[in-house]
Amino acid sequence: GQQLNQSPQSMFIQEGEDVSMNCTSSSIFNTWLWYKQEPGEGPVLLIALYKAGELTSNGRLTAQFGITRKDSFLNISASIPSDVGIYFCAGHQGAQKLVFGQGTRLTINP
Amino acid sequence: DVKVTQSSRYLVKRTGEKVFLECVQDMDHENMFWYRQDPGLGLRLIYFSYDVKMKEKGDIPEGYSVSREKKERFSLILESASTNQTSMYLCASTRLVGRGVYGYTFGSGTRLTVV
Repeated sequence: GQQLNQSPQSMFIQEGEDVSMNCTSSSIFNTWLWYKQEPGEGPVLLIALYKAGELTSNGRLTAQFGITRKDSFLNISASIPSDVGIYFCAGHQGAQKLVFGQGTRLTINP
Repeated sequence: DVKVTQSSRYLVKRTGEKVFLECVQDMDHENMFWYRQDPGLGLRLIYFSYDVKMKEKGDIPEGYSVSREKKERFSLILESASTNQTSMYLCASTRLVGRGVYGYTFGSGTRLTVV
């Protein structure tokens, strides 16, 4: 089945730094979603994007739906220790089915 | 808020055992999904169900089956557990997040180890 290519696979940063990650696909998606998974828990929805070119923020998080509809970006500004976790992008393929990226594992050094 | 509950957080089973993973959601949603999560591979869809007694194969259904006898409950069955099925298993139910788009609400996961 199709998967999304997410990069980087892991990041090690200092507290206070900004973070950028992205997700690409060979196919067009109509919506993009970003999830965060904390240790020992299931993924939780952070941001949903509905239209090409759309830029949406949720606190320190900002995500963009690429113009080509084949990519999306997530930025986290001024990282804090509770940002640690695995971030997943997901593309909506209709019939309520989502395709997920491989995840970006974020580690923060205090 | 939708709650998706997976019956076990951790399971250890022996090779060849039949294993049942249970998932219950409390919001009367039609659609439920089972994924497995492995490092570097992300979430891969095993099976999903759009309604009671309906099921469809996902991307990696081999070695698994499912049961949806009641709307709120979606069970994943490992007919004969093998060590390569050691993984984190995530159940999800869909909810409307806006503009006709459905996002998933996930359970906390079941970490299965097959020895």
